[in-house]
Amino acid sequence: EAQVTQNPRYLITVTGKKLTVTCSQNMNHEYMSWYRQDPGLGLRQIYYSMNVEVTDKGDVPEGYKVSRKEKRNFPLILESPSPNQTSLYFCASSSGQRTNQPQHFGDGTRLSIL
Amino acid sequence: AQTVTQSQPEMSVQEAETVTLSCTYDTSESDYYLFWYKQPPSRQMILVIRQEAYKQQNATENRFSVNFQKAAKSFSLKISDSQLGDAAMYFCARRSNAGKSTFGDGTTLTVKP
Repeated sequence: EAQVTQNPRYLITVTGKKLTVTCSQNMNHEYMSWYRQDPGLGLRQIYYSMNVEVTDKGDVPEGYKVSRKEKRNFPLILESPSPNQTSLYFCASSSGQRTNQPQHFGDGTRLSIL
Repeated sequence: AQTVTQSQPEMSVQEAETVTLSCTYDTSESDYYLFWYKQPPSRQMILVIRQEAYKQQNATENRFSVNFQKAAKSFSLKISDSQLGDAAMYFCARRSNAGKSTFGDGTTLTVKP
């Protein structure tokens, strides 16, 4: 089954404790992206990657890191999480270099930073 | 910053009736792509319809169609013959050729039986 898999689905942690949210897709997609969704707001793009070893900042990259060493994986790293990073996070992927293809989304990761 | 605006936080429609959700955007680019996504209470993000900015013809997918006005930077979604399963949050999104995506804040659609 074609899918984007995020782990963990839920996480409660404390300020300053490094964490990684993994994202993996099995569709051989070139494009991958991370978003956060806060109450009353739409999705805001954190980072995106057009292909392996190519990453770019979205609108809200502060406090996050990403890497794209393999085509299928695009982990999101919070080196020193803070309470304002409490949010619902989505990973997405789409095929091809052209960005007219719709994104396939994971089921979301709900992070709570205390 | 390039923005996407959905001016209707909430909309309501009677089952079997038609509803239109509005979306406007700001961009300095000539080549970009527009999407409508649906997010039901399960929180999944599901593609509804997409439109390439270089295409003049409005996209249609079964009961869903768009009214794309490039000069006005407007991209509204029309849902015909509304069904109870259409109830969800709807997001308008713009994606640049370089891959950057911007979403609106969403419109919550309620469908009344």
